[in-house]
Amino acid sequence: NAGVMQNPRHLVRRRGQEARLRCSPMKGHSHVYWYRQLPEEGLKFMVYLQKENIIDESGMPKERFSAEFPKEGPSILRIQQVVRGDSAAYFCASSIGGENTIYFGEGSWLTVV
Amino acid sequence: AQRVTQPEKLLSVFKGAPVELKCNYSYSGSPELFWYVQYSRQRLQLLLRHISRESIKGFTADLNKGETSFHLKKPFAQEEDSAMYYCALFNQAGTALIFGKGTTLSVSS
Repeated sequence: NAGVMQNPRHLVRRRGQEARLRCSPMKGHSHVYWYRQLPEEGLKFMVYLQKENIIDESGMPKERFSAEFPKEGPSILRIQQVVRGDSAAYFCASSIGGENTIYFGEGSWLTVV
Repeated sequence: AQRVTQPEKLLSVFKGAPVELKCNYSYSGSPELFWYVQYSRQRLQLLLRHISRESIKGFTADLNKGETSFHLKKPFAQEEDSAMYYCALFNQAGTALIFGKGTTLSVSS
């Protein structure tokens, strides 16, 4: 099992550009979570998705951020018009479902210049 | 409100010394608690989950409902234990893990 796969691992964007981060869950997992890790702040939950559905987006900023998990293909976290404050590590995780163990990917490091 | 508190930002110990990483929680009901470990700029790895009551890499954690704590312990620290440790619990809705801010464990010889 290849584990949770994220790409790109590192992404540099200029202010105002768009960032797209991709996540392929572990084989057999249909639940995906996105977290953001900022220095000194630990991991913050952003969004929880199942195939074609957003279940909980209580941690998503109201503007510029969106996430999807289509029927086919990876989950995408999209950040429009990036600002310097968006620079962080973004971790994707997946699970079989419910309150089962959540497994994390290696993260995508976004740097906004 | 659901919350996880890890009061120590950094814990430094010598090799062979006992380790206790503190975790306190706020939760209504019976929480589902976890410890994750993150080595430098790598993925978070599940260390243990309280319902499984397993011991991984010599680490154990006991849920103390009276003190609302889930401290992580190891009797003899090794240098390879140096990492960031996160305590977490499932939120009431069961839709997300809530993490503490993490404790960096540094083990030196």
